[in-house]
Amino acid sequence: GQQLNQSPQSMFIQEGEDVSMNCTSSSIFNTWLWYKQDPGEGPVLLIALYKAGELTSNGRLTAQFGITRKDSFLNISASIPSDVGIYFCAGQITGANSKLTFGKGITLSVRP
Amino acid sequence: GAVVSQHPSWVICKSGTSVKIECRSLDFQATTMFWYRQFPKQSLMLMATSNEGSKATYEQGVEKDKFLINHASLTLSTLTVTSAHPEDSSFYICSASDGETQYFGPGTRLLVL
Repeated sequence: GQQLNQSPQSMFIQEGEDVSMNCTSSSIFNTWLWYKQDPGEGPVLLIALYKAGELTSNGRLTAQFGITRKDSFLNISASIPSDVGIYFCAGQITGANSKLTFGKGITLSVRP
Repeated sequence: GAVVSQHPSWVICKSGTSVKIECRSLDFQATTMFWYRQFPKQSLMLMATSNEGSKATYEQGVEKDKFLINHASLTLSTLTVTSAHPEDSSFYICSASDGETQYFGPGTRLLVL
C-alpha cells in the first residue's frame, strides 16, 4: 500500500535550535497533515495543508506542501523542552472523511 | 475546539474475553470515524473506517469478525475486540471527522493476559 517516508527515526537537538523534518511519498496526496504524539496520548493536529505550494505557520511551526504533492516539510523554530515527542506526517487523497496514511514518525529529543 | 473522547483509557482482560471501546465526538457530529492500532515504537495503522448507519470498511488483513465496529449515532462509534488474545494487546486510537479535519481520541491501552 501507500507509504509515507520519514527519516531519520530519531533527532536530537539543543534547546533553542531550529529543526526541520521532511516527509516524502511515491504517490500524490491532496492534503498533508502534521501531528504530534506524546507518550500514551493520541496524536494532536499541528498543521493542515490543502494546496500544493502552500506555506502555513502555527506559532513556531511552519509547514509546506510540496508543489509535486509528493512531499511536505515541518520546521520548528527556537525549540523548547515541550517540543519533545513523536512527529507524524499524514496524507489524504480526498476530503476529510477519507482515510489518512501515516509516516513512521520522528522522535524528537530536546536537550536543555 | 473539536474534542474526541475514548472510554476506557486502559483495560486489562483475560484471554478469551471480549472488550468494548467507545469513541465519542463531544462537540460535533461525525459521520465518519476511524479506528487505528498502534504497537510500541510504531506508527498508527488504520484498522477500519466506520460510517454512521452503515457497515464498517475494514483494511486488508483486519478480521471483521474479531474487531466488531458499530457506529450507531453521529457521536458514537464502538470497537469490540472479541475473544481477545495477548497478541491483541495494543494502543487503540479512534479519530472522528467533522467534514474538514480528523481529530484523534486519547487512545485506549489494552492488555490481554
